Amino acid sequence: ETGVTQTPRHLVMGMTNKKSLKCEQHLGHNAMYWYKQSAKKPLELMFVYSLEERVENNSVPSRFSPECPNSSHLFLHLHTLQPEDSALYLCASSQDPRASSSYNEQFFGPGTRLTVL
Amino acid sequence: GENVEQHPSTLSVQEGDSAVIKCTYSDSASNYFPWYKQELGKRPQLIIDIRSNVGEKKDQRIAVTLNKTAKHFSLHITETQPEDSAVYFCAASKGSGNTPLVFGKGTRLSVIA
Repeated sequence: ETGVTQTPRHLVMGMTNKKSLKCEQHLGHNAMYWYKQSAKKPLELMFVYSLEERVENNSVPSRFSPECPNSSHLFLHLHTLQPEDSALYLCASSQDPRASSSYNEQFFGPGTRLTVL
Repeated sequence: GENVEQHPSTLSVQEGDSAVIKCTYSDSASNYFPWYKQELGKRPQLIIDIRSNVGEKKDQRIAVTLNKTAKHFSLHITETQPEDSAVYFCAASKGSGNTPLVFGKGTRLSVIA
């Protein structure tokens, strides 16, 4: 699969587990994003990494920990989650407008459907 | 910061009719307005976008209009088809610096055959 890929596609975990979500983009972009999608908040921005630096953290609980080792990979480390964290987690990538003259069209991955028991 | 309001939250139309979804934004500095379509079980995908230097853009059955003075923009779908059924999201961004897209809450469009 080309573009933006995410693994795993489905994840069921207990509240005491530790797991990680992975995102990889093959588009040569230099900005990556994590979104949470649920019935209450359809597209809620969680984190933004631009040029491998975290530039935005929208008051996300510390039980979510992002990691961006390079411009192609983005992780979301999960620990001691709550049932209300069950949602679809979407990764996206774009060009950082600071690095180009193009607007930041975002390309989304297929998402990870997370269920916290 | 930017705030984007989207209406309606749900919309049902008969096949062949037109559908209109409206969004308003708060930050007059925003200059990039994309629309994403998310089919059931799939990822959001860009269908059309508009920059602030134009007032209207059209791509086959889809058009977007922008009123910078009133700070609102709209998506128009003509001759709707069942495959247009999806959730549509509008968004706004300054398109410069490191400000990401701010999304509306989405509109679930159902096209009834």
